[in-house]
Amino acid sequence: GQNIDQPTEMTATEGAIVQINCTYQTSGFNGLFWYQQHAGEAPTFLSYNVLDGLEEKGRFSSFLSRSKGYSYLLLKELQMKDSASYLCAVRGIYGGSQGNLIFGKGTKLSVKP
Amino acid sequence: GAGVSQSPRYKVTKRGQDVALRCDPISGHVSLYWYRQALGQGPEFLTYFNYEAQQDKSGLPNDRFSAERPEGSISTLTIQRTEQRDSAMYRCASRSFGDSGRGDTQYFGPGTRLTVL
Repeated sequence: GQNIDQPTEMTATEGAIVQINCTYQTSGFNGLFWYQQHAGEAPTFLSYNVLDGLEEKGRFSSFLSRSKGYSYLLLKELQMKDSASYLCAVRGIYGGSQGNLIFGKGTKLSVKP
Repeated sequence: GAGVSQSPRYKVTKRGQDVALRCDPISGHVSLYWYRQALGQGPEFLTYFNYEAQQDKSGLPNDRFSAERPEGSISTLTIQRTEQRDSAMYRCASRSFGDSGRGDTQYFGPGTRLTVL
Protein backbone atom coordinates (compact mmCIF):
# COMPACT_ATOMS: atom_id res chain seq x y z
CA GLY A 1 0.00 0.00 0.00
CA GLN A 2 0.91 3.66 -0.06
CA ASN A 3 1.39 5.56 3.15
CA ILE A 4 2.97 8.90 3.91
CA ASP A 5 3.13 10.14 7.49
CA GLN A 6 3.96 13.57 8.80
CA PRO A 7 2.99 15.39 11.99
CA THR A 8 -0.34 17.17 11.88
CA GLU A 9 0.73 20.40 13.55
CA MET A 10 3.88 22.10 14.80
CA THR A 11 4.57 25.40 16.51
CA ALA A 12 7.83 27.31 16.48
CA THR A 13 9.16 30.75 17.34
CA GLU A 14 10.19 33.45 14.92
CA GLY A 15 13.92 33.26 14.22
CA ALA A 16 14.18 29.63 15.31
CA ILE A 17 14.81 26.44 13.35
CA VAL A 18 12.16 23.77 12.78
CA GLN A 19 12.38 20.29 11.30
CA ILE A 20 9.33 18.65 9.74
CA ASN A 21 9.65 14.90 9.34
CA CYS A 22 8.07 12.67 6.73
CA THR A 23 8.12 8.88 6.54
CA TYR A 24 6.83 6.98 3.57
CA GLN A 25 5.96 3.50 2.44
CA THR A 26 5.16 3.34 -1.24
CA SER A 27 5.17 0.62 -3.86
CA GLY A 28 7.82 2.50 -5.84
CA PHE A 29 9.95 5.60 -5.46
CA ASN A 30 10.92 8.17 -8.05
CA GLY A 31 11.50 11.29 -6.04
CA LEU A 32 10.23 13.15 -2.98
CA PHE A 33 8.85 16.67 -3.04
CA TRP A 34 8.04 19.26 -0.42
CA TYR A 35 5.37 21.83 -1.10
CA GLN A 36 4.27 24.85 0.91
CA GLN A 37 0.60 25.73 1.04
CA HIS A 38 -0.72 28.90 2.64
CA ALA A 39 -4.34 28.83 3.74
CA GLY A 40 -6.69 29.15 0.79
CA GLU A 41 -3.90 29.00 -1.77
CA ALA A 42 -2.39 26.45 -4.14
CA PRO A 43 0.57 24.30 -3.09
CA THR A 44 3.88 25.76 -4.29
CA PHE A 45 7.09 23.80 -4.91
CA LEU A 46 9.82 24.02 -2.28
CA SER A 47 12.26 21.18 -2.85
CA TYR A 48 12.98 17.89 -4.57
CA ASN A 49 15.13 14.93 -3.51
CA VAL A 50 15.74 11.77 -5.49
CA LEU A 51 19.15 10.74 -4.10
CA ASP A 52 20.13 10.36 -0.46
CA GLY A 53 21.44 13.42 1.22
CA LEU A 54 20.76 17.05 1.91
CA GLU A 55 19.58 19.65 -0.59
CA GLU A 56 19.94 23.24 0.56
CA LYS A 57 18.10 26.23 -0.82
CA GLY A 58 18.54 29.36 1.19
CA ARG A 59 16.60 29.08 4.45
CA PHE A 60 15.10 25.75 3.39
CA SER A 61 16.84 22.37 3.29
CA SER A 62 15.47 18.92 2.60
CA PHE A 63 17.01 15.57 3.47
CA LEU A 64 16.29 12.11 2.11
CA SER A 65 17.18 8.58 3.21
CA ARG A 66 15.70 6.09 0.78
CA SER A 67 16.72 3.06 2.81
CA LYS A 68 14.80 4.39 5.80
CA GLY A 69 11.88 5.81 3.82
CA TYR A 70 12.49 9.10 5.56
CA SER A 71 12.75 12.76 4.69
CA TYR A 72 12.75 16.02 6.58
CA LEU A 73 12.31 19.65 5.70
CA LEU A 74 14.42 22.06 7.69
CA LEU A 75 13.39 25.71 7.94
CA LYS A 76 15.91 28.16 9.38
CA GLU A 77 15.51 31.72 10.61
CA LEU A 78 11.77 31.31 10.76
CA GLN A 79 9.63 34.23 9.68
CA MET A 80 5.96 34.86 10.35
CA LYS A 81 5.24 34.32 6.67
CA ASP A 82 6.44 30.73 7.01
CA SER A 83 3.20 29.90 8.82
CA ALA A 84 1.61 27.48 6.36
CA SER A 85 1.01 23.81 5.72
CA TYR A 86 3.95 21.78 4.45
CA LEU A 87 3.14 18.84 2.24
CA CYS A 88 5.40 15.86 1.70
CA ALA A 89 4.77 14.04 -1.59
CA VAL A 90 6.29 10.94 -3.17
CA ARG A 91 6.30 10.28 -6.88
CA GLY A 92 5.72 6.67 -7.83
CA ILE A 93 7.55 4.76 -10.51
CA TYR A 94 4.61 4.53 -12.87
CA GLY A 95 5.13 6.73 -15.86
CA GLY A 96 8.70 7.73 -14.95
CA SER A 97 8.97 11.39 -14.22
CA GLN A 98 5.40 11.80 -15.33
CA GLY A 99 3.97 9.82 -12.44
CA ASN A 100 1.40 11.25 -10.12
CA LEU A 101 2.30 12.48 -6.66
CA ILE A 102 1.14 10.79 -3.50
CA PHE A 103 0.71 13.39 -0.78
CA GLY A 104 0.81 13.22 2.97
CA LYS A 105 -1.86 15.05 4.93
CA GLY A 106 0.39 18.02 5.52
CA THR A 107 1.94 19.61 8.59
CA LYS A 108 0.43 22.88 9.71
CA LEU A 109 3.23 25.10 11.00
CA SER A 110 2.44 28.07 13.19
CA VAL A 111 5.21 30.61 13.74
CA LYS A 112 4.80 32.68 16.90
CA PRO A 113 6.47 36.05 17.64
CA GLY B 1 4.45 34.13 -17.16
CA ALA B 2 0.91 32.89 -16.66
CA GLY B 3 0.41 30.02 -14.29
CA VAL B 4 -2.21 27.30 -14.23
CA SER B 5 -5.71 28.74 -14.27
CA GLN B 6 -8.97 27.11 -13.30
CA SER B 7 -12.59 28.10 -13.67
CA PRO B 8 -14.91 28.60 -12.06
CA ARG B 9 -13.15 29.37 -8.78
CA TYR B 10 -16.32 28.56 -6.86
CA LYS B 11 -19.21 26.36 -7.88
CA VAL B 12 -22.34 25.72 -5.86
CA THR B 13 -24.73 23.16 -7.26
CA LYS B 14 -27.64 21.06 -6.18
CA ARG B 15 -27.40 17.36 -5.65
CA GLY B 16 -28.05 15.47 -8.89
CA GLN B 17 -26.79 18.21 -11.21
CA ASP B 18 -23.80 17.78 -13.51
CA VAL B 19 -20.79 20.09 -13.23
CA ALA B 20 -17.84 20.78 -15.50
CA LEU B 21 -14.60 22.14 -14.12
CA ARG B 22 -12.04 23.67 -16.44
CA CYS B 23 -8.25 23.75 -16.27
CA ASP B 24 -5.92 25.79 -18.47
CA PRO B 25 -2.33 24.58 -17.93
CA ILE B 26 0.89 26.49 -18.28
CA SER B 27 1.59 26.97 -21.97
CA GLY B 28 3.68 24.15 -23.39
CA HIS B 29 3.24 21.80 -20.44
CA VAL B 30 2.73 18.29 -21.76
CA SER B 31 1.28 16.66 -18.67
CA LEU B 32 -1.86 17.72 -16.82
CA TYR B 33 -3.10 16.30 -13.53
CA TRP B 34 -6.34 16.50 -11.60
CA TYR B 35 -6.39 16.23 -7.81
CA ARG B 36 -9.06 16.58 -5.15
CA GLN B 37 -8.19 18.16 -1.82
CA ALA B 38 -10.32 17.98 1.28
CA LEU B 39 -9.90 20.57 4.01
CA GLY B 40 -6.84 19.86 6.11
CA GLN B 41 -5.63 17.10 3.81
CA GLY B 42 -3.10 16.78 1.05
CA PRO B 43 -4.20 16.59 -2.59
CA GLU B 44 -5.50 13.19 -3.72
CA PHE B 45 -4.71 12.08 -7.25
CA LEU B 46 -7.61 11.60 -9.66
CA THR B 47 -6.27 11.34 -13.22
CA TYR B 48 -3.62 12.62 -15.59
CA PHE B 49 -2.96 13.26 -19.28
CA ASN B 50 0.03 13.44 -21.55
CA TYR B 51 -1.04 15.65 -24.43
CA GLU B 52 -4.61 14.49 -25.18
CA ALA B 53 -4.11 10.91 -23.97
CA GLN B 54 -5.43 9.96 -20.56
CA GLN B 55 -2.59 7.96 -19.00
CA ASP B 56 -4.01 7.03 -15.65
CA LYS B 57 -7.52 7.37 -14.28
CA SER B 58 -7.11 5.04 -11.35
CA GLY B 59 -7.90 7.79 -8.85
CA LEU B 60 -11.33 8.64 -10.18
CA PRO B 61 -13.74 7.62 -7.39
CA ASN B 62 -16.45 6.14 -9.64
CA ASP B 63 -17.93 6.34 -13.12
CA ARG B 64 -19.69 9.63 -12.39
CA PHE B 65 -16.28 11.27 -12.76
CA SER B 66 -14.67 11.73 -16.16
CA ALA B 67 -12.05 13.97 -17.70
CA GLU B 68 -10.94 14.94 -21.16
CA ARG B 69 -8.25 17.00 -22.84
CA PRO B 70 -9.22 16.80 -26.50
CA GLU B 71 -6.59 19.12 -27.98
CA GLY B 72 -3.83 18.47 -25.51
CA SER B 73 -4.20 21.80 -23.75
CA ILE B 74 -7.33 22.73 -21.78
CA SER B 75 -8.89 19.96 -19.74
CA THR B 76 -12.37 19.49 -18.32
CA LEU B 77 -13.27 17.38 -15.30
CA THR B 78 -16.94 16.45 -15.35
CA ILE B 79 -18.93 15.13 -12.42
CA GLN B 80 -22.34 13.74 -13.26
CA ARG B 81 -25.25 13.48 -10.83
CA THR B 82 -23.31 15.24 -8.10
CA GLU B 83 -23.58 14.08 -4.50
CA GLN B 84 -22.82 15.94 -1.28
CA ARG B 85 -19.71 13.82 -0.75
CA ASP B 86 -18.27 15.31 -3.96
CA SER B 87 -17.87 18.68 -2.20
CA ALA B 88 -14.16 19.51 -2.14
CA MET B 89 -11.45 21.64 -3.71
CA TYR B 90 -10.57 20.32 -7.15
CA ARG B 91 -7.05 21.22 -8.22
CA CYS B 92 -5.35 20.97 -11.53
CA ALA B 93 -1.57 20.82 -12.00
CA SER B 94 0.67 20.82 -15.02
CA ARG B 95 4.20 19.54 -15.32
CA SER B 96 7.24 21.07 -16.82
CA PHE B 97 9.36 18.86 -19.02
CA GLY B 98 13.10 18.75 -18.69
CA ASP B 99 13.12 20.87 -15.55
CA SER B 100 15.43 18.37 -13.88
CA GLY B 101 16.57 20.83 -11.27
CA ARG B 102 13.08 20.77 -9.86
CA GLY B 103 12.48 17.10 -10.55
CA ASP B 104 9.95 17.90 -13.28
CA THR B 105 7.69 19.15 -10.57
CA GLN B 106 4.02 19.87 -10.92
CA TYR B 107 2.64 23.40 -10.74
CA PHE B 108 -0.76 23.76 -9.18
CA GLY B 109 -3.67 25.98 -10.09
CA PRO B 110 -5.83 27.91 -7.60
CA GLY B 111 -8.53 25.23 -7.61
CA THR B 112 -12.29 25.13 -7.94
CA ARG B 113 -14.19 24.96 -4.67
CA LEU B 114 -17.20 22.73 -5.35
CA THR B 115 -20.11 22.73 -2.93
CA VAL B 116 -22.96 20.31 -3.49
CA LEU B 117 -26.10 21.17 -1.57
